[in-house]
Amino acid sequence: NAGVTQTPKFRILKIGQSMTLQCTQDMNHNYMYWYRQDPGMGLKLIYYSVGAGITDKGEVPNGYNVSRSTTEDFPLRLELAAPSQTSVYFCASSYPWEALPDEPQHFGDGTRLSIL
Amino acid sequence: KNQVEQSPQSLIILEGKNCTLQCNYTVSPFSNLRWYKQDTGRGPVSLTIMTFSENTKSNGRYTATLDADTKQSSLHITASQLSDSASYICVVSARGGSYIPTFGRGTSLIVHP
Repeated sequence: NAGVTQTPKFRILKIGQSMTLQCTQDMNHNYMYWYRQDPGMGLKLIYYSVGAGITDKGEVPNGYNVSRSTTEDFPLRLELAAPSQTSVYFCASSYPWEALPDEPQHFGDGTRLSIL
Repeated sequence: KNQVEQSPQSLIILEGKNCTLQCNYTVSPFSNLRWYKQDTGRGPVSLTIMTFSENTKSNGRYTATLDADTKQSSLHITASQLSDSASYICVVSARGGSYIPTFGRGTSLIVHP
C-alpha cells in the first residue's frame, strides 16, 4: 500500500495564480483532512471530509476550497494565491473517529508551496 | 480554548543518552493523546496513543506517560540514536462533537554522534 500520496512535492506560484494540491489514499479511509504547517507552529486544520460528497471547514479555511467526489481523492484548491498561503500542506486520512477513536491519522509527505 | 503546549522547543543530546519531552494540554473533554514523530521533509507518523484510562504506553525505545489529572504527558526516549533526530508532536483529541484534534508545536530533537 502506498498510503497517502500528495502531489506535487514542491511548487512556486505567483500572487494571484491558482492551483490544486492533489491527495489520494489507498487505505479505504472514510475521513480525510488538509492541514497547513507554518515554521514553528502546530498543524492547523484547513478542511476535512467524512466521506464522498461531504466536506466541512476546519480552523483556517479562508482562501481554500475542497471537493470529495471519491473515497480515495481529496484535492485542495487555491483560487487566488497570496503570500500568506506560503506553507507546507499535509493531507491525512483515517478511519471514522466515532467508531475507531484510537486509530491514528496517516499523513502524506507534504507539498511545499511558496507564493512570490 | 483547547491548547497543547510542548517543552522544550528544541533539544540537543548525544547519541546513547536518554531524554524526556513534555506536553501539557487543556483539551476537554479528553479523548486521547498521541505522540507523532516527524522526520525532516516527511509527514508525521504515529508513535503512541493513550486514552483516559492508560498512564503508560511503550513503542520500542519510546515510552509515553499520561497524567489525566494534571493534564500532562511525557515522551521518554531511551538510548537515543541518530535516527531519533526529528520533531516530536503531541496531539490531543476531545470526545464528542466535531473531531478537530489539537496539535502542539512540537519539540525539535537533534541527536549528535
